[in-house]
Amino acid sequence: GQQLNQSPQSMFIQEGEDVSMNCTSSSIFNTWLWYKQDPGEGPVLLIALYKAGELTSNGRLTAQFGITRKDSFLNISASIPSDVGIYFCAGRRGSQGNLIFGKGTKLSVKP
Amino acid sequence: DAGVIQSPRHEVTEMGQEVTLRCKPISGHDYLFWYRQTMMRGLELLIYFNNNVPIDDSGMPEDRFSAKMPNASFSTLKIQPSEPRDSAVYFCASSPPSARNVYNEQFFGPGTRLTVL
Repeated sequence: GQQLNQSPQSMFIQEGEDVSMNCTSSSIFNTWLWYKQDPGEGPVLLIALYKAGELTSNGRLTAQFGITRKDSFLNISASIPSDVGIYFCAGRRGSQGNLIFGKGTKLSVKP
Repeated sequence: DAGVIQSPRHEVTEMGQEVTLRCKPISGHDYLFWYRQTMMRGLELLIYFNNNVPIDDSGMPEDRFSAKMPNASFSTLKIQPSEPRDSAVYFCASSPPSARNVYNEQFFGPGTRLTVL
């Protein structure tokens, strides 16, 4: 099935640095979501985006729904050790139903 | 509120055995999703239900896999017979009715780590 192109695959950063990751698709989506997965746990929703151009923040996290509706990015400012994990983007074409997931960005933060 | 509950958390079985994974969605949610996660393929949707009815099972790998949702609070994913390539983490997720919440996002359970020897 179709997957989103998520990049980078992995990141190694110093505590305090800002992080940016993105997802692109050849298809238009009506919804973009960003999830975080900790080891041994299921993905947890961080941010949901529903309108092209929408910019939404959740604490140190900021995500945007691209104008073309084919991409989204997630920024994390002033990273801390607990930001470590795998971040997934997900897109949905309709208003409900199944999501298509990216392969994830594995974030490592050095104290 | 209790989140999505999955059992068992870990399952180790031998090739050829039947495996049953269980899921209890969040109360009031009417969508239920089964995913499989592997390093190679990432998160893949296997099947999803709405109001206990299977809507899309195109992601189910083959006839060895079957899923049921006999009522609103319980679903099973069964693999019979199991094979080593079925080893993965299986997630269940649920989402609320769109009528009550336009933004019906999926909430994931903790997953079942399946190892088939």
